[in-house]
Amino acid sequence: DARVTQTPRHKVTEMGQEVTMRCQPILGHNTVFWYRQTMMQGLELLAYFRNRAPLDDSGMPKDRFSAEMPDATLATLKIQPSEPRDSAVYFCASGSPRVIHNEQFFGPGTRLTVL
Amino acid sequence: AQSVTQLGSHVSVSEGALVLLRCNYSSSVPPYLFWYVQYPNQGLQLLLKYTSAATLVKGINGFEAEFKKSETSFHLTKPSAHMSDAAEYFCAVTRNFGNEKLTFGTGTRLTIIP
Repeated sequence: DARVTQTPRHKVTEMGQEVTMRCQPILGHNTVFWYRQTMMQGLELLAYFRNRAPLDDSGMPKDRFSAEMPDATLATLKIQPSEPRDSAVYFCASGSPRVIHNEQFFGPGTRLTVL
Repeated sequence: AQSVTQLGSHVSVSEGALVLLRCNYSSSVPPYLFWYVQYPNQGLQLLLKYTSAATLVKGINGFEAEFKKSETSFHLTKPSAHMSDAAEYFCAVTRNFGNEKLTFGTGTRLTIIP
């Protein structure tokens, strides 16, 4: 059964440390989205990729965040250095032109706590 | 630009009562509209979607939504609430062509009173 997977599911780190979150999109999906969810801001789109190329990363703080797709089966979101305000749940979602009507499939999320 | 507004960040209904979650959208082009549900500590799951076919859309778990262009609304309803419906619900909009990003509302937390 095809699912988006994310690792790690939980991460606790100290301020200043580097954090890397990974996402495996559904096989065959060519679009990957990164979202951040917090109580205060709700669900925010950070960046998205199509065919591994970044299409829009305007929602992402450029000084400390970076997103890449090294290959079609892996997307990464990196924070360096991390800050307490980065504490949130980070979701990855994938989609495909063969999946009609722009439906996105969400992973279970990575819950990040920065102390 | 597109946007959605969800009226009511928290809604409480009694078990067996009607569920009504409100969503109004703004879009300069014909939209696709979605309702997603998020259970505690989980990702978002698609409930239903409007894609310009039928205006009344039926989804999973007994939910349905009606697209009303004149009111720019896409409200979510369920005739009889169940305890398992307690979750957060998100309305989202996108343009009606391929692989576009979704714009989400702020969410409505649904509580079911026994």
